[in-house]
Amino acid sequence: RKEVEQDPGPFNVPEGATVAFNCTYSNSASQSFFWYRQDCRKEPKLLMSVYSSGNEDGRFTAQLNRASQYISLLIRDSKLSDSATYLCVVNGGTNDMRFGAGTRLTVKP
Amino acid sequence: EAQVTQNPRYLITVTGKKLTVTCSQNMNHEYMSWYRQDPGLGLRQIYYSMNVEVTDKGDVPEGYKVSRKEKRNFPLILESPSPNQTSLYFCASSRDPGSTEKLFFGSGTQLSVL
Repeated sequence: RKEVEQDPGPFNVPEGATVAFNCTYSNSASQSFFWYRQDCRKEPKLLMSVYSSGNEDGRFTAQLNRASQYISLLIRDSKLSDSATYLCVVNGGTNDMRFGAGTRLTVKP
Repeated sequence: EAQVTQNPRYLITVTGKKLTVTCSQNMNHEYMSWYRQDPGLGLRQIYYSMNVEVTDKGDVPEGYKVSRKEKRNFPLILESPSPNQTSLYFCASSRDPGSTEKLFFGSGTQLSVL
């Protein structure tokens, strides 16, 4: 079993749609959680951290469920520019950052 | 501008020809790390460094070497590249490797070993 698992997609959605991704992790002692965005063959960039109480940044909402060991990312009112691969990242502690393989999103006109 | 500079962006080489990928950060970060990214797999850590002269193996260190003689630089060395090292490589840094610090990534090196 992979330490961090994501549905690879692709998710193909029309502009304006709401789309959600989930990510499960195996290390119950994991301490912090992030969503990174990666455009084709470019470096990952931090989209948002994920806090226990859930957090929102504009059209993006992240949730954490420690009991079930998953995190989620919700994107509302999808834009063409949201097309990218979204990486789930789970940090188990010092130098223990684990990356999911990513979920690919394509937003179409 | 705070950044991680990685070179070259693209590299094609032949089996056995030694190569070095450079990585430099200007944020005075203590922690630096190398990753490779292959289709269908998450980023996998090759080597990391907690500070100057302190380096250690990650999950996939075989066939790679690193050095950390200065805080800002963390080169990745392939002494004798093989085709299975064809991959997309990223250098990253952070203030420390603690659980809440985000990583800053270089722009990546696409390596092809023929």
